[in-house]
Amino acid sequence: GQNIDQPTEMTATEGAIVQINCTYQTSGFNGLFWYQQHAGEAPTFLSYNVLDGLEEKGRFSSFLSRSKGYSYLLLKELQMKDSASYLCAVVDSNYQLIWGAGTKLIIKP
Amino acid sequence: DAGITQSPRHKVTETGTPVTLRCHQTENHRYMYWYRQDPGHGLRLIHYSYGVKDTDKGEVSDGYSVSRSKTEDFLLTLESATSSQTSVYFCAISESGDSYNEQFFGPGTRLTVL
Repeated sequence: GQNIDQPTEMTATEGAIVQINCTYQTSGFNGLFWYQQHAGEAPTFLSYNVLDGLEEKGRFSSFLSRSKGYSYLLLKELQMKDSASYLCAVVDSNYQLIWGAGTKLIIKP
Repeated sequence: DAGITQSPRHKVTETGTPVTLRCHQTENHRYMYWYRQDPGHGLRLIHYSYGVKDTDKGEVSDGYSVSRSKTEDFLLTLESATSSQTSVYFCAISESGDSYNEQFFGPGTRLTVL
């Protein structure tokens, strides 16, 4: 079967750095997305990786290792507004998105 | 922000009644999707459409049907609602089915089946 694993919840301090991991086992791989979802709102796009390595976009970076079936989202200089759920999703061989259950990130002052 | 609206935003209904949720887009995107989101689960695809009158089943399609008679509208119908269909339903759109095309999500519909 297809499986995406993420930690259920993480806590970090304002101004710090946090890394949210995602491991996957899917039928094929055509890219990996990270989305942010604030409570009660729609998911919004953060990043897309299809090649190995690190993609940096402001305070957020996303890393992919296809051989290890692993990705992480790195958030720097954490702000209170970063409190949200972070969703990892893999594009499988049928070009369907397979979603992880999400990681709830709690930022403390 | 992508122009996607969903209606209704909240609905409470009783077991056995039919329910239709509407997704409307103003982006002229070809692909439209219906997902449900439940605690402890990732977003799960119910049905999707790749053009007018062109639809296909997703992972959790049992008990749901869809229709797309116009590019801008994608309807999700629960023929006879059950309590297990209590969920938050999200519509999403994408320009194409290519892997790199991000999906844009509507605001969601919270459905409660009593």
